[in-house]
Amino acid sequence: AQSVTQLDSQVPVFEEAPVELRCNYSSSVSVYLFWYVQYPNQGLQLLLKYLSGSTLVKGINGFEAEFNKSQTSFHLRKPSVHISDTAEYFCAVSNPGGSYIPTFGRGTSLIVHP
Amino acid sequence: NAGVMQNPRHLVRRRGQEARLRCSPMKGHSHVYWYRQLPEEGLKFMVYLQKENIIDESGMPKERFSAEFPKEGPSILRIQQVVRGDSAAYFCASSPRREGNEQFFGPGTRLTVL
Repeated sequence: AQSVTQLDSQVPVFEEAPVELRCNYSSSVSVYLFWYVQYPNQGLQLLLKYLSGSTLVKGINGFEAEFNKSQTSFHLRKPSVHISDTAEYFCAVSNPGGSYIPTFGRGTSLIVHP
Repeated sequence: NAGVMQNPRHLVRRRGQEARLRCSPMKGHSHVYWYRQLPEEGLKFMVYLQKENIIDESGMPKERFSAEFPKEGPSILRIQQVVRGDSAAYFCASSPRREGNEQFFGPGTRLTVL
């Protein structure tokens, strides 16, 4: 079975500051990893995904994430956030060739203050 | 290319009534997933369908809930005899293939049971 832990339920940060949203996963096999963003009253939108290859993945809106197999982590980072980045962020994991249904974390609410 | 469409966006039902939620996947997508999101929680997988087939319904409650994805028309999530605990946001996602692909989410249907 696979699981995802997003350690922080809420992350407040000031505009133009850097941010890191943490994600750890548990899986006994290889993984695909995803970060999604959800703006209020909207569906989820993919920010970035790791399937294979380079462990540093760049996504939309200036976000990036690094796959660390030894630490089973896939933390999301942005060097300088904007007010418009205020949203809920979800990490998800799926298993290639196995349980292809992604498992989502509980989400991290990023709150950007002016 | 229109995105995933869900309707209605908001649905109010009294206890004991039926709720029907519709999802039209993106053009060319034959894989549909339904999720439920409760406040302060992540997305919980309910059911995965491919045209005319239920592939995985391991997350679906055994009673009162059913889903279909007919050859023609949208996917339907049906909840019979709704109870207050069914109040949640229900999201539909679609993908062109089963594995390794991001899921494209609809805006959700917010069900309120009075």
